[in-house]
Formats: sequence, structure tokens, C-alpha cells
Amino acid sequence: AQSVTQLDSQVPVFEEAPVELRCNYSSSVSVYLFWYVQYPNQGLQLLLKYLSGSTLVKGINGFEAEFNKSQTSFHLRKPSVHISDTAEYFCAVNRGSTLGRLYFGRGTQLTVWP
Amino acid sequence: EAGVAQSPRYKIIEKRQSVAFWCNPISGHATLYWYQQILGQGPKLLIQFQNNGVVDDSQLPKDRFSAERLKGVDSTLKIQPAKLEDSAVYLCASSPPRGSGGNTGELFFGEGSRLTVL
Repeated sequence: AQSVTQLDSQVPVFEEAPVELRCNYSSSVSVYLFWYVQYPNQGLQLLLKYLSGSTLVKGINGFEAEFNKSQTSFHLRKPSVHISDTAEYFCAVNRGSTLGRLYFGRGTQLTVWP
Repeated sequence: EAGVAQSPRYKIIEKRQSVAFWCNPISGHATLYWYQQILGQGPKLLIQFQNNGVVDDSQLPKDRFSAERLKGVDSTLKIQPAKLEDSAVYLCASSPPRGSGGNTGELFFGEGSRLTVL
């Protein structure tokens, strides 16, 4: 079975500071990894995904994430955040062999202060 | 391209009443998912359809929840009778057919239907 752990439920940060949102997963098989963002009263929007190839993936809005198989991690980073990045961020995983359902972490609320 | 459409956006009911949510996926997307998102938690899969067949409904509380996708396009999720703990956002998502060039594992989500049970 797959599980996803997001280690921080809330991350406060000042505008223009760097940020890292942590995600660890457990799986006995190869997985595909995703980060989604959810703004208030909206659905989930894909930020980036890792399917294969380069372990450093770049997404929208200046976000990037690095897949680390040995540490089973897929941490999300941004070198300089904006107030508009305030949102809930979800890490998700699915089985690499059968694309389909996603297993989500409980989410990390990123709050950017001026 | 139109996204995943859901309605209603908000619904308030009393416990033991019934409610239904509707979802229209992106055109051509064979797979449809219903997720439940309780406040402070990540989305949890309730049911997955492939065309009009159920792929996975192991997490669906079948004594009160039901879902259908009769023509393999839009879908309805029903709760009857509702309990207080059913208060949540119900998210519908869709994805292209497996093996198609457009399937990269991404799920496309609607804006959700927020249910409050009093």
C-alpha cells in the first residue's frame, strides 16, 4: 500500500524568503509523484509531477521538487515566495505501473506574510 | 477546453436528510473519481469509474453513499441519510484513457461541492 507523509501542517514564511515543503512516501513499488496546490474555495491544481528521468522537476509558478529514491522523499521548493503563494499544498503518489488513483498527504498550509 | 464541472458548489442540510452531487468530467476522459476532503485532511478516494464501470469503491460507505455513471460520462454521488461526519468537500476528478498519449498520471479536479450537515 502507498502512504504519503507531509511533515509540516503549517509553514509560515515572509515574502521573498525561500521555502521547502517536505513530503515522504512509502511504497513497495515504483511510484509517480505529484504536488498539487489548492487555493481557498477552489479545486486542486497540478504544480508539478515526477514520472521518470531527471530527479529535479520544475513546475508552474517557480516551484521545483527533487525526487530522492533512497530517502523516499519528494520535497517542494521555491527560492523566493510571493504573497499569492499562500495556499494549501498536497503531495500525492500513485503506483507507477497502473496510472490511476492518487493517494494524498494531509496537506501543508503555506502562509506568506508581507 | 472546459474543465471538470461540479454542482452544487455549496449545500447545507440537516442530518438524516439526503443530498446529491453532480459531476461532468472533461470531454473524452474515461476515468472519473470522487474524493472526500474533510477539513484539515487530504482528499480520500471514495470511488473510481472506468467508463461506466466501477474500478474501486472499497472506501465508499455503501450503507449511505451511492454513485453512478450510467452513460460513461457524467456522474452523481448521493448520500442518504447524511451524518454530521459527512461534512466535507466532495471533489470530482477525471483523467484521460490509460495508454493514451494524454495520460501522464495527472488528475484534473473540479472546484468541489462543499457539504455542511447540521
